[in-house]
Amino acid sequence: EVQLVESGGTLVQPGGSLRLSCVGSGFSLSNHAMHWVRQAPGKGLEYVSAVSADGGSTYYANSVEGRFTISRDNSKNTLWLQMGSLRPEDMGVYYCARVNSNKYDYWGQGTLVTVSS
Amino acid sequence: QSALTQPPSASGSPGQSVTISCTGTSWYHVSWYQQHPGKAPKLMIYDVSNRPSGVSDRFSGSKSGNTASLTISGLQAEDEADYYCTSYGGSNSVAFGGGTKLTVL
Repeated sequence: EVQLVESGGTLVQPGGSLRLSCVGSGFSLSNHAMHWVRQAPGKGLEYVSAVSADGGSTYYANSVEGRFTISRDNSKNTLWLQMGSLRPEDMGVYYCARVNSNKYDYWGQGTLVTVSS
Repeated sequence: QSALTQPPSASGSPGQSVTISCTGTSWYHVSWYQQHPGKAPKLMIYDVSNRPSGVSDRFSGSKSGNTASLTISGLQAEDEADYYCTSYGGSNSVAFGGGTKLTVL
């Protein structure tokens, strides 16, 4: 059974840093591009970042470019999102999602990031 | 690509059909996701009109020009959820619709 489990979300002060993790099981992460998608409280889904299957290419939404870094270790079936210079508007549930033939076929349960002083 | 445009709400009575539109879909790879409160999104339709295994055939998708549509027939109480469209043009080209809250009356 394919599963994605995120962790690392917590309360952090504005300007702070946080690293989110996403561990995959039931499949080999190395075969898939992986994305982070977030959802602010009461709002819709928003693309955050993407990494190619081999980790060689990374992409970011304009809103997080220069502040967030996506990475992966396929040997550990793990994806990360290093978040820096956090702002209140970065608050929300962060999902990792598996890309399969141009669609998100599996999502994690999400991890909540709260940015507040 | 800019964000896609969906109506904020839709509703229908049990047994009826409802259609949710998504405007601005420039790329072919249009998907629809269902999200119940507090849950992760679930893939319902991909590549405009294809259903993943396990998704009810009451869900169907179509596209005309730059507008994609999700139709749910034979509405059931469990269909009450938020629905999001996505247009996927590659890892650096992903657009989400703003979401449509479906109410089953």
